[in-house]
Amino acid sequence: DGGITQSPKYLFRKEGQNVTLSCEQNLNHDAMYWYRQDPGQGLRLIYYSQIVNDFQKGDIAEGYSVSREKKESFPLTVTSAQKNPTAFYLCASTPGQGLYGYTFGSGTRLTVV
Amino acid sequence: DQQVKQNSPSLSVQEGRISILNCDYTNSMFDYFLWYKKYPAEGPTFLISISSIKDKNEDGRFTVFLNKSAKHLSLHIVPSQPGDSAVYFCAASAQGYGQNFVFGPGTRLSVLP
Repeated sequence: DGGITQSPKYLFRKEGQNVTLSCEQNLNHDAMYWYRQDPGQGLRLIYYSQIVNDFQKGDIAEGYSVSREKKESFPLTVTSAQKNPTAFYLCASTPGQGLYGYTFGSGTRLTVV
Repeated sequence: DQQVKQNSPSLSVQEGRISILNCDYTNSMFDYFLWYKKYPAEGPTFLISISSIKDKNEDGRFTVFLNKSAKHLSLHIVPSQPGDSAVYFCAASAQGYGQNFVFGPGTRLSVLP
């Protein structure tokens, strides 16, 4: 079955540490996205990538970094520069054109302790 | 400033009745809209879409209405079922901005048996 796999489901991090969230898709989608969800807010775009080896900042990119070395993979690193990293993170993909709905992963809940 | 608003954080409806979820937007450039459903600790699932050339789109129990002059769309679920209990997100996109969608904060629907 095609889909998006995010791991881990739950992640705990100590303050000052970097942590990397995994996102893998086997849908052959060109475009991939990282969103963050906080209580009472909509999904906010962190980074997106439309093709391999290229990515763009979203609305809240500060304190995050990404890479897109393979079409299937779009890992997100939450760095120690991110002031408030505790949140629910969602990875998504689309075939590449805006007329298609997104396919989402099941998310990673990151908690800073 | 929220470009996509869902002013009702929650909604309760009796099983078998109609559920109406509302969404307002401020950017007149938006021309494509999506509704997603999200269960706790899962990624959102695409429900239904509508483009600005239409004012209505139906898919089974789900119908989305678009009023461009009022910058308003609504999702109707008829008849509502307990399994419909979830958070519903409205999302909007403008082709000029590529495929990046702006999401509303969501409305939690509870369908009571």
